Amino acid sequence: QQQVKQSPQSLIVQKGGIPIINCAYENTAFDYFPWYQQFPGKGPALLIAIRPDVSEKKEGRFTISFNKSAKQFSLHIMDSQPGDSATYFCAASFYTGANSKLTFGKGITLSVRP
Amino acid sequence: GAVVSQHPSRVICKSGTSVKIECRSLDFQATTMFWYRQFPKQSLMLMATSNEGSKATYEQGVEKDKFLINHASLTLSTLTVTSAHPEDSSFYICSGVSGANVLTFGAGSRLTVL
Repeated sequence: QQQVKQSPQSLIVQKGGIPIINCAYENTAFDYFPWYQQFPGKGPALLIAIRPDVSEKKEGRFTISFNKSAKQFSLHIMDSQPGDSATYFCAASFYTGANSKLTFGKGITLSVRP
Repeated sequence: GAVVSQHPSRVICKSGTSVKIECRSLDFQATTMFWYRQFPKQSLMLMATSNEGSKATYEQGVEKDKFLINHASLTLSTLTVTSAHPEDSSFYICSGVSGANVLTFGAGSRLTVL
């Protein structure tokens, strides 16, 4: 059973567009939801993360929207740029201490066309 | 911010040999590190949780005798792929838990077994 599901599988937008990547989770005990960005041949880098006590968090051009009742959260990228072309992973974990074992979604490849 | 260094970034070895990958937390102490494996265009699969001074905890289906993990200090964890075979070729990524339970990933190590 896949505990964290991402959609769509791939996404192409024009420069300046606002790609939205969705993520759904199964386990209601998850309480930490990060998004990671990965470029080819590199490790993932934390973009932004949210906890379920807030419905939205914004950092620069990246915004997470969180819907606890629907068990869904999404990443919005404002004014997208070609440099944002990468693979994006959502994840979830139990924010209970040092053993923060993340469960990742399958990832989505975003292409931002000039 | 927290930095995790992985070495080597790329390694090619012959079938039957062993390869060691190092993961170092450069500016924080990581009592817990995680090792992931990633196939092309796929998500990160957790292999094991490495705890300083104790045995690693392996995920189901991961051969602990094949993927030896040692976490001898608070800043270093190593993954040794023993008797490597072509099917072990993959991208291996480590991560360390820094302050506030933030996972910081290394840049990954590309292993190719001939």
